[in-house]
Amino acid sequence: AQSVTQLGSHVSVSEGALVLLRCNYSSSVPPYLFWYVQYPNQGLQLLLKYTSAATLVKGINGFEAEFKKSETSFHLTKPSAHMSDAAEYFCAVSDLGGAGNMLTFGGGTRLMVKP
Amino acid sequence: GAGVSQSPSNKVTEKGKDVELRCDPISGHTALYWYRQSLGQGLEFLIYFQGNSAPDKSGLPSDRFSAERTGGSVSTLTIQRTQQEDSAVYLCASSSSATGREQYFGPGTRLTVT
Repeated sequence: AQSVTQLGSHVSVSEGALVLLRCNYSSSVPPYLFWYVQYPNQGLQLLLKYTSAATLVKGINGFEAEFKKSETSFHLTKPSAHMSDAAEYFCAVSDLGGAGNMLTFGGGTRLMVKP
Repeated sequence: GAGVSQSPSNKVTEKGKDVELRCDPISGHTALYWYRQSLGQGLEFLIYFQGNSAPDKSGLPSDRFSAERTGGSVSTLTIQRTQQEDSAVYLCASSSSATGREQYFGPGTRLTVT
């Protein structure tokens, strides 16, 4: 069975500050890992994905994440927050154990950006 | 190109009524998923279709929930005898072998059961 834990349901940063959203996973097989962003009243948009290639993954909107197997982590970072980054962020894992490539999501982290 | 579309965007129904939610995946995508997003349970997998194979229904919460996919394209999620706990946003996603495990999500249908 696989699971995802996102530490911190709410994170608040000032505009221009570092963004760090934490994600830890458990998986019985090498995982595929994803970060999705959800803006109000919208669906999920893929930010980036890890698929066993480079451990440092760059995504859209200046976000990146680093896969650390020893820590079973896949934290999301952005050097400088922008007001438009305010949204809810979901970490997800996919492996061969579930239905096809079903995604198992963390509980989400709501990012607030203060001016 | 066109993304995943879902209809209706919002649905309000009375407890005990049946509802149908529609998903139109990206053209050519063979895999289709339904997820439910609710305050209490977060994002949960419901059902998965792959081409013409039998669907994996392992995530459906009760036998009041069913789904079909016609012609390997459009999918309908049906909830019979709706209950207040069915209130949630229902998200549909699609993917193809070309996209690997990357799923593309629709905007969702917000279901409110009164």
